[in-house]
Amino acid sequence: DADVTQTPRNRITKTGKRIMLECSQTKGHDRMYWYRQDPGLGLRLIYYSFDVKDINKGEISDGYSVSRQAQAKFSLSLESAIPNQTALYFCATSDTHSDSTDTQYFGPGTRLTVL
Amino acid sequence: AQSVTQLGSHVSVSEGALVLLRCNYSSSVPPYLFWYVQYPNQGLQLLLKYTSAATLVKGINGFEAEFKKSETSFHLTKPSAHMSDAAEYFCAVSPFDSSYKLIFGSGTRLLVRP
Repeated sequence: DADVTQTPRNRITKTGKRIMLECSQTKGHDRMYWYRQDPGLGLRLIYYSFDVKDINKGEISDGYSVSRQAQAKFSLSLESAIPNQTALYFCATSDTHSDSTDTQYFGPGTRLTVL
Repeated sequence: AQSVTQLGSHVSVSEGALVLLRCNYSSSVPPYLFWYVQYPNQGLQLLLKYTSAATLVKGINGFEAEFKKSETSFHLTKPSAHMSDAAEYFCAVSPFDSSYKLIFGSGTRLLVRP
């Protein structure tokens, strides 16, 4: 089984709808991240969390919100989706207590299309 | 602010040829540097990383990268390309701050011709 899972893998929605993307991990890592990938732009950080009580904005947080329901779960919400939020979204984790604390492990991604 | 530049959005090589993917970083101090690979319809997988130990870093699948401080570069190489190397490759830098986030380059898509 995959260590970092994302649901759904694909989603098509309409402008103005509320959407939630979910991320779960079985790695026992404390840090979790949400990135979006756009062609030609690489990955950009939306939000990150160091534990359930610690949520931080990334470089492109406008229009997004997150919830860290448990150490293993980190959800990304689009309160009112717009077409320029069409992108590939990745969840990632890393471990403060590991020798490889700087290494992030990525989920398979969620492809979101906003019509 | 730290940044990463990957030269060439697409690189095409013949099977068996040398692979060279370029990455330059901007940082006031030597950062941690990473190469990730993304195969079609998959997430990102760590290829290798530089964390201020040896400047020549060996990774998985025969890839290696050399950290050159004087050139602020961290280019990825592989002596002989294989068809299975076709993927998108991302260089990333980790700034020395409390976020432990990664700052990614725009990516280079490697095409391998038979």
